[in-house]
Amino acid sequence: DGGITQSPKYLFRKEGQNVTLSCEQNLNHDAMYWYRQDPGQGLRLIYYSQIVNDFQKGDIAEGYSVSREKKESFPLTVTSAQKNPTAFYLCASNKQGRAYNEQFFGPGTRLTVL
Amino acid sequence: GQQLNQSPQSMFIQEGEDVSMNCTSSSIFNTWLWYKQDPGEGPVLLIALYKAGELTSNGRLTAQFGITRKDSFLNISASIPSDVGIYFCAGQHFTSGTYKYIFGTGTRLKVLA
Repeated sequence: DGGITQSPKYLFRKEGQNVTLSCEQNLNHDAMYWYRQDPGQGLRLIYYSQIVNDFQKGDIAEGYSVSREKKESFPLTVTSAQKNPTAFYLCASNKQGRAYNEQFFGPGTRLTVL
Repeated sequence: GQQLNQSPQSMFIQEGEDVSMNCTSSSIFNTWLWYKQDPGEGPVLLIALYKAGELTSNGRLTAQFGITRKDSFLNISASIPSDVGIYFCAGQHFTSGTYKYIFGTGTRLKVLA
């Protein structure tokens, strides 16, 4: 089955630690995105990548970093510089091109800072 | 970042009732998407709309792409308990060389049996 997987489902971080959230897709999608979701708010874009070895900052990139070494993978690192990292993180992907405008999401990772 | 105006924020309805929610924006979009999200899960795509004026159905769900390309609505007919969840709209446009998606703040639906 094709889809987007995220791991872990739940993640706990101590103050001052960096943590990495995994996102893998086998949909052969070109573009991948990371969003942050907080209660009562819409999704906010952290980083996105259209092709391998290239990525751009979204609206709230401070305190986060990403890499895109493979088409299938787009891991997100939440660094100690992110002052309020407790949130639900969603990875998404879509094909590029005018005919492929549907974006699909993974199941999410809930990060809690202890 | 920009967010879409989605209303209502929440609603309680009786099982069997019809539900309507909408999204509006000051920007024009190429595509409107509607998602449902269950607690602790990722959003699931329900309906995608590609042309102004388009009306599309998926079972008991019907959505329309507004003529002005700045709004969309979603209707759920004959609601059932499993319709409970948060419904999000998203508008997609091409800007700065890439496709970007703007999301509504969600409509929380609760169905009373």
